[in-house]
Amino acid sequence: DAGVTQSPTHLIKTRGQQVTLRCSPKSGHDTVSWYQQALGQGPQFIFQYYEEEERQRGNFPDRFSGHQFPNYSSELNVNALLLGDSALYLCASSFRGANQPQHFGDGTRLSIL
Amino acid sequence: KQEVTQIPAALSVPEGENLVLNCSFTDSAIYNLQWFRQDPGKGLTSLLLIQSSQREQTSGRLNASLDKSSGRSTLYIAASQPGDSATYLCAVSLLSSNTGKLIFGQGTTLQVKP
Repeated sequence: DAGVTQSPTHLIKTRGQQVTLRCSPKSGHDTVSWYQQALGQGPQFIFQYYEEEERQRGNFPDRFSGHQFPNYSSELNVNALLLGDSALYLCASSFRGANQPQHFGDGTRLSIL
Repeated sequence: KQEVTQIPAALSVPEGENLVLNCSFTDSAIYNLQWFRQDPGKGLTSLLLIQSSQREQTSGRLNASLDKSSGRSTLYIAASQPGDSATYLCAVSLLSSNTGKLIFGQGTTLQVKP
């Protein structure tokens, strides 16, 4: 039973570029949440997708956007990258959100030069 | 606004010692509280989940307690081992949330020395 998978594992970009991160949820899960974890900090909620729609959004600018596909997988897009976007981006999946246990992937390490 | 604080930020203990990690939160209207383990450069592994109506949960050498009225949770690790070295994060989900959004503390980095 595959858990949450994220790709790529590492990514290096320069300021101003755009990036797309991908997440496949755990089998049987239909909800995907994205978190940003800066070095030495706890994860911060970016947004959650359920039924292909953004259901809740954290305190992140519009440069952060996402998408969920009919197979429940999800993408996180970040435009106009800033140095401060360097972080570990974590994807978590759950069944129908709403306080169900979330299962996390290993994350994508994004470095901005 | 819910804030989650973990003390201490870092802890170093000799192998075999029993230890307690602390987590506090400012808003008692939580749905549940979770403790996670994070190894360097890795994702989060859920250790224990306590529903707001529960007082504690146990798994092997781990015991987590919850005192919602005082806004506190503790994670007790018995007979610590070098393999327990990792960062431990606590997180709460709010009653007011329809998504289970997790609010995390900054974590406690534990080192267990052989």
